[in-house]
Amino acid sequence: GQNIDQPTEMTATEGAIVQINCTYQTSGFNGLFWYQQHAGEAPTFLSYNVLDGLEEKGRFSSFLSRSKGYSYLLLKELQMKDSASYLCAVLDSNYQLIWGAGTKLIIKP
Amino acid sequence: IAGITQAPTSQILAAGRRMTLRCTQDMRHNAMYWYRQDLGLGLRLIHYSNTAGTTGKGEVPDGYSVSRANTDDFPLTLASAVPSQTSVYFCASSDSGTGSEAFFGQGTRLTVV
Repeated sequence: GQNIDQPTEMTATEGAIVQINCTYQTSGFNGLFWYQQHAGEAPTFLSYNVLDGLEEKGRFSSFLSRSKGYSYLLLKELQMKDSASYLCAVLDSNYQLIWGAGTKLIIKP
Repeated sequence: IAGITQAPTSQILAAGRRMTLRCTQDMRHNAMYWYRQDLGLGLRLIHYSNTAGTTGKGEVPDGYSVSRANTDDFPLTLASAVPSQTSVYFCASSDSGTGSEAFFGQGTRLTVV
């Protein structure tokens, strides 16, 4: 079966750095997405990785290791507005998105 | 219209009633999707369409039907609503067959009583 695992909840302090991990087992791989979802809102795109390595985009970075079936999202200089759920999703061999349950990130002052 | 729009934004529905959730996009994306999101379960795919005129079943299709008469519209119908269909429903679109991102509508919060 296909499976995406990420922690259910994490807590971090404003101004700090947090790393949200995602491991996956899917039938084929055509890329991995990270989305941000604020409470009561729709998911919005953060990043896409298809090759191994680190992709940096401002305060957010995303890393992929295809051999390990592993990705992480790194958030730097945390702000209160970063309190949200972070969803990991893998595009499988049929180009269907397989979604993790999401990680709720709580930022404390 | 800018992007992808869903209607209604919320609805309370009596069990046994028929309901259609509407979804329209103006990005000319070939692929469209319907998800439901329940606490602790993440997004689950109900039905999808890779191109106008074709549809497919996702992970949780029972009790739901869709149609894709044209590129822009992808309505989701609950033929006879049951309380277990209480959820938040998201419509999304993307360019299928590529690694392009999916764009989501604002969601429909449906309560079946």
